[in-house]
Amino acid sequence: EAGVAQSPRYKIIEKRQSVAFWCNPISGHATLYWYQQILGQGPKLLIQFQNNGVVDDSQLPKDRFSAERLKGVDSTLKIQPAKLEDSAVYLCASSIQLGQNSPLHFGNGTRLTVT
Amino acid sequence: AQSVSQHNHHVILSEAASLELGCNYSYGGTVNLFWYVQYPGQHLQLLLKYFSGDPLVKGIKGFEAEFIKSKFSFNLRKPSVQWSDTAEYFCAVQLGGSYIPTFGRGTSLIVHP
Repeated sequence: EAGVAQSPRYKIIEKRQSVAFWCNPISGHATLYWYQQILGQGPKLLIQFQNNGVVDDSQLPKDRFSAERLKGVDSTLKIQPAKLEDSAVYLCASSIQLGQNSPLHFGNGTRLTVT
Repeated sequence: AQSVSQHNHHVILSEAASLELGCNYSYGGTVNLFWYVQYPGQHLQLLLKYFSGDPLVKGIKGFEAEFIKSKFSFNLRKPSVQWSDTAEYFCAVQLGGSYIPTFGRGTSLIVHP
């Protein structure tokens, strides 16, 4: 099966600029996650979708981050305006369903550098 | 809030050495436990998982992990590592009733040929 697709792979922007990341999950996967992984740390959940609805966005900095999954398939994560501390790898993951026994399938991530 | 601790941040081994990576979590209820691996230049992928039943679970590539409830631990083991096991290893814990896995900070394993 095709994996989780993310683009772009790399992005360099200046602080206060905006940036958007795109994710296309594995076909048929209802649940989609965005994680932020800062260098030297484990992935931290930003937002979780079930189809086109938000399940959990408690750790999303909503003053600058937004995400949508309008048709319940692909998703976009946006940062506006970016700060230096947003430099990280942004990982998208999907799972078959919202449930205890559904392991995550990850994309390759987008490495963001904010200068 | 739950937390996941991986105490070994960097491990360097020679081929054929035995491996044990520690993972502890801070939650007393029902948990689902995972180990994910990220090989250089690749995406995170599932190595093994524990949901219930036999606390000794076997994963891909000869890895296994043991869930010890009394110690809140889920350590990863492999009797004889290979150069190709060089990767980042992440432990993740999903609380009973939650749909969100929490990840540890990861352990970087380097295996010298």
